[in-house]
Amino acid sequence: SQKIEQNSEALNIQEGKTATLTCNYTNYSPAYLQWYRQDPGRGPVFLLLIRENEKEKRKERLKVTFDTTLKQSLFHITASQPADSATYLCALDSGSARQLTFGSGTQLTVLP
Amino acid sequence: DAGVIQSPRHEVTEMGQEVTLRCKPISGHDYLFWYRQTMMRGLELLIYFNNNVPIDDSGMPEDRFSAKMPNASFSNLKIQPSEPRDSAVYFCASSGTGGLPVSYNEQFFGPGTRLTVL
Repeated sequence: SQKIEQNSEALNIQEGKTATLTCNYTNYSPAYLQWYRQDPGRGPVFLLLIRENEKEKRKERLKVTFDTTLKQSLFHITASQPADSATYLCALDSGSARQLTFGSGTQLTVLP
Repeated sequence: DAGVIQSPRHEVTEMGQEVTLRCKPISGHDYLFWYRQTMMRGLELLIYFNNNVPIDDSGMPEDRFSAKMPNASFSNLKIQPSEPRDSAVYFCASSGTGGLPVSYNEQFFGPGTRLTVL
């Protein structure tokens, strides 16, 4: 069956370090993969999109990689700050209508 | 633009009652999505529309759920009769694809409606 797994439900890191979040998938062949941020009580907010033919995408302190052989995307936040604390969701296109399917998310806490 | 608008923000109802959730997408967007989020199942797509036409409703749990989009500015999701297991946060999202695949475009989410069915 199709499955999207995001690493450990919660990740705690020290301020200033690099946070690395993992999104693994099986039985999909996504053309695109997106990352969203969700704060408590709010809807998800789009961060980055990466295409299957792109290895890496950057935006300010964010970096996303996409390895279609490993069926994995990594999401990095460099020089992390307490304000980066949130739940991060990966989403990939799936199904015949190519709509987005979301992973369960990883809750990141950056400790001051 | 005010973003995606959802109402009500919170809804508490009793089992068996009809519930109506409302959404106003961002003006000019041609796709509208309804999602449900729970701790157990995460964020699930229920149904989505393109130019007011339902495209995929395979995520709708059962016949108790229905959704309509009578025009480009409004959609509603109805649950009748409601059950305690319907308790969740329901999100509406919209996107403007510009002719590109729907999964290529970022989705703009509303603040959600927290539904509690007692």
